[in-house]
Amino acid sequence: DTEVTQTPKHLVMGMTNKKSLKCEQHMGHRAMYWYKQKAKKPPELMFVYSYEKLSINESVPSRFSPECPNSSLLNLHLHALQPEDSALYLCASSQDKAEANYGYTFGSGTRLTVV
Amino acid sequence: AQSVTQLDSQVPVFEEAPVELRCNYSSSVSVYLFWYVQYPNQGLQLLLKYLSGSTLVKGINGFEAEFNKSQTSFHLRKPSVHISDTAEYFCAVVESNFGNEKLTFGTGTRLTIIP
Repeated sequence: DTEVTQTPKHLVMGMTNKKSLKCEQHMGHRAMYWYKQKAKKPPELMFVYSYEKLSINESVPSRFSPECPNSSLLNLHLHALQPEDSALYLCASSQDKAEANYGYTFGSGTRLTVV
Repeated sequence: AQSVTQLDSQVPVFEEAPVELRCNYSSSVSVYLFWYVQYPNQGLQLLLKYLSGSTLVKGINGFEAEFNKSQTSFHLRKPSVHISDTAEYFCAVVESNFGNEKLTFGTGTRLTIIP
């Protein structure tokens, strides 16, 4: 299995809703990431988990809450979002930098629309 | 902190012509470099990467890139493009020292192939 799987592919939610995005990988990668991508812009890093511990939070608003239940799963809990939070949310994973084939594998993303 | 510059936001090229997409980076330490492609409404697919060793890197779909440390560049090339190469291309960098898992993207280059 060489993929990062993200669910759902599309999500429409109201500003008072609570929803979660899920990301799964079975490649034994030890780091997992959430990126946010607005239209016609590059992906922007939100969070990094390394060995299931949060290692980087890029000053993301608290209405986004990440969770890493185990080494294969990464969730992003959403609450009280704003319309400007509408974007493509990408999950990625990577091996240890010491590995010869180090690199980042991205999922196909969740297209989120906040109404 | 590392940064990436992609000077060309859009590059139109005739089918079967060669193309070069430019990428320059800035970092105070050694880096790993990546090129990703993003087709409309999809996630990111790795084209190629430079970790160490030979400065000429070959990737998928006939693309190659050359790492030039003195010019801090990692330009992407293809000798003959096809209609299916129409997509957004992102150059990305991560510092190779321990920690700092922040993969930073350039602003992207929109490659349009003209029939």
